[in-house]
Amino acid sequence: DAKTTQPPSMDCAEGRAANLPCNHSTISGNEYVYWYRQIHSQGPQYIIHGLKNNETNEMASLIITEDRKSSTLILPHATLRDTAVYYCIVRSRNTGNQFYFGTGTSLTVIP
Amino acid sequence: DAGVIQSPRHEVTEMGQEVTLRCKPISGHNSLFWYRQTMMRGLELLIYFNNNVPIDDSGMPEDRFSAKMPNASFSTLKIQPSEPRDSAVYFCASSFNLGEKLFFGSGTQLSVL
Repeated sequence: DAKTTQPPSMDCAEGRAANLPCNHSTISGNEYVYWYRQIHSQGPQYIIHGLKNNETNEMASLIITEDRKSSTLILPHATLRDTAVYYCIVRSRNTGNQFYFGTGTSLTVIP
Repeated sequence: DAGVIQSPRHEVTEMGQEVTLRCKPISGHNSLFWYRQTMMRGLELLIYFNNNVPIDDSGMPEDRFSAKMPNASFSTLKIQPSEPRDSAVYFCASSFNLGEKLFFGSGTQLSVL
């Protein structure tokens, strides 16, 4: 699976949009971009995933560049409960390609 | 559904003792994963099962670690003998057909003294 690069930490003001970037320049055509987050002392939680089109759900939006070499997770109105480590993972959906979590981005939402 | 259930939440043991961690996946899920998390190494995939069969155990650190899934609703991760470097949080996760949504349990905090 392609390697991802994320900034180690970010801050965001409460109520503002949080934009978390991820670089995956070696992504291949059959690999999806997934985002998970881990709130302190809990297990990781699925947020969203996509292949090449932008995706939106009740938690977040995922913007993937046209060349698919990078993506951005957007939390439209960050709250204090969004403080967590956010993991960007690139994975093929073929059987046997599992989720390997990197170091992620530690997002702190500031009151 | 209660989600993925792990027990115990906390385990403190002495070096050399056997440790058994337990996991009950979400009903209907047929894929189960064991992860270990430490500050130094982050989240590591240890082993995963599909339809109760171990598919890939290449992440298991050494022979002291073993995992079983005797039926669709139960899995164990055993460490024998335990060592201080095994201290970590161990997570179990389940999904349907190795799918994209992994559901994680609350983890077991293991401390080996």
